[in-house]
Amino acid sequence: DTAVSQTPKYLVTQMGNDKSIKCEQNLGHDTMYWYKQDSKKFLKIMFSYNNKELIINETVPNRFSPKSPDKAHLNLHINSLELGDSAVYFCASSPRRDYGYTFGSGTRLTVV
Amino acid sequence: GEDVEQSLFLSVREGDSSVINCTYTDSSSTYLYWYKQEPGAGLQLLTYIFSNMDMKQDQRLTVLLNKKDKHLSLRIADTQTGDSAIYFCAEIRRDDKLVFGAGTILRVKS
Repeated sequence: DTAVSQTPKYLVTQMGNDKSIKCEQNLGHDTMYWYKQDSKKFLKIMFSYNNKELIINETVPNRFSPKSPDKAHLNLHINSLELGDSAVYFCASSPRRDYGYTFGSGTRLTVV
Repeated sequence: GEDVEQSLFLSVREGDSSVINCTYTDSSSTYLYWYKQEPGAGLQLLTYIFSNMDMKQDQRLTVLLNKKDKHLSLRIADTQTGDSAIYFCAEIRRDDKLVFGAGTILRVKS
């Protein structure tokens, strides 16, 4: 019954690897997001998709590539992982762009 | 400034009221939000206020909005140990981005 689900919950990987984080929402929302929370708990938006179309693309290294196969899914692929990519990544969705977001429980990525 | 600002830490005794303050930046923000994050967990939407309101009450939570000063506060009445968490205020900016403050760590002592 989870509204916004992310997998995996934990991801430990070596520098230089490529990894993906998946996100799915069953709320029927049109807009989905990826946020990064750093070690100081600061949350920053990375990407936003509205009905499979990219609408927000913050200054994020191009090693990060979001993909939205349909409006219920927004995956995040990261190439050539670096130590600084270690963080918690949150997926979220909302029914429209100016409305409250529902967040997933996060994916803790640790790059070693 | 461009940052949504919050005090970093608040400690209260169980049963007291907690007040968490926030200063936001975009006067055109239509909605302002309070999120709660418990240790190791995701973000839970606690409450929100529409920009044409001054106050919103929801059980133990009271949100006050001062648009002139761009000041938002969250009051938690009868604070319980289960309220210990990080509280984030957030605004939707005119570019449709939800921008968060740095979070306030609330510690409730029994």
